[in-house]
Amino acid sequence: GAVVSQHPSWVICKSGTSVKIECRSLDFQATTMFWYRQFPKQSLMLMATSNEGSKATYEQGVEKDKFLINHASLTLSTLTVTSAHPEDSSFYICSATLDSFTDTQYFGPGTRLTVL
Amino acid sequence: AQTVTQSQPEMSVQEAETVTLSCTYDTSESDYYLFWYKQPPSRQMILVIRQEAYKQQNATENRFSVNFQKAAKSFSLKISDSQLGDAAMYFCAYQETSGSRLTFGEGTQLTVNP
Repeated sequence: GAVVSQHPSWVICKSGTSVKIECRSLDFQATTMFWYRQFPKQSLMLMATSNEGSKATYEQGVEKDKFLINHASLTLSTLTVTSAHPEDSSFYICSATLDSFTDTQYFGPGTRLTVL
Repeated sequence: AQTVTQSQPEMSVQEAETVTLSCTYDTSESDYYLFWYKQPPSRQMILVIRQEAYKQQNATENRFSVNFQKAAKSFSLKISDSQLGDAAMYFCAYQETSGSRLTFGEGTQLTVNP
């Protein structure tokens, strides 16, 4: 149980275009989802926290107009990278938690974004 | 803000031997959660072990165990009988309250030599 999927697993896009990444909890309802960014050989950096039905909370330094997060249902959160540029190329990982009483986060397999 | 430090960027161990990965953290809280996650080349984050700060007993999961020293704010991971499949990046993580964000350390790349 507690499986999180991400789609797509790999995407290549041209500079200036927008890309949407989906994060789904397959067998549970996730009240909170988290979006991380990971550069090669580096740690995970939290970008934003997303709660179903409310606006995402962004970490300091993360442009909310560039990284649009929508958590429209208890099983789906989306991250849209708008007007992508080569410096946005990275590995994006989502995680989900059952509720505020559960400490364990379940991670998706990640999405590799390459912006040409 | 809480910080997590892993002072060993790389570690290596011989197959079947034991290795310990270090982690220290900084917090003013008395109750919190600590985790070790494994990230193999597939990059899927896998939970290895978790520890609740209010529990004095060190957590164990088969070949994996932790040495939790609350006063020293230290949380090391011991891997016994290392296997080739243990080779991965290992991240220590801190969580202030249940369901809240995770703060990760820089990671330790573990190599297992046959």
